[in-house]
Amino acid sequence: QMQLVQSGAEVKKTGSSVKVSCKASGYTFTYRYLHWVRQAPGQALEWMGWITPFNGNTNYAQKFQDRVTITRDRSMSTAYMELSSLRSEDTAMYYCARSGLLPGYFDLWGRGTLVTVSS
Amino acid sequence: AIQLTQSPSSLSASVGDRVTITCRASQGISSALAWYQQKPGKAPKLLIYDASSLESGVPSRFSGSGSGTDFTLTISSLQPEDFATYYCQQFNSYPPFTFGPGTKVDIK
Repeated sequence: QMQLVQSGAEVKKTGSSVKVSCKASGYTFTYRYLHWVRQAPGQALEWMGWITPFNGNTNYAQKFQDRVTITRDRSMSTAYMELSSLRSEDTAMYYCARSGLLPGYFDLWGRGTLVTVSS
Repeated sequence: AIQLTQSPSSLSASVGDRVTITCRASQGISSALAWYQQKPGKAPKLLIYDASSLESGVPSRFSGSGSGTDFTLTISSLQPEDFATYYCQQFNSYPPFTFGPGTKVDIK
């Protein structure tokens, strides 16, 4: 069945970086946009950016423009989200999510990766 | 960026109740709106897209309506498994995609 499997929880120090992976299976990886959405504890969902797996093109939310890098490995059907210069406010659950042939709504989600940032 | 507001922020209801949640956009977004359900410790789940289209596998007691700036999600007869937080999301103008602040539905 179609699924997105994310890497495990991470604990990071303030100022460091984290890289989270998202492996797609059950569908053609290159045919759908892959997004990253985060959710701080008790807070709403926040879109961070997307990648077009076919050609690697990316688009980031302005808030994260300077700190986030989304990449993919087509051979592994895997997308990655790296967030740098971590601060305590980055403590959150990070989800990858798939959208359609056009960016839009998110019809398939990973289970999430908890990133905890502490000093 | 387009802002989304939801009302109410929380509500208490009983099994069998009809529940309506409202989402309002800061500017017109045509029908480019989705609704998600999120249970504690779980990823969001798509319920409705294009304002009123039911995602495959979602029970028919869920329905969506609206266009422009005002949208509603209705649960016709609340079931025990429906107690969750509901989010709206716009995809008319991006980046960024934006979500509403959520509406928590709990048991009365």
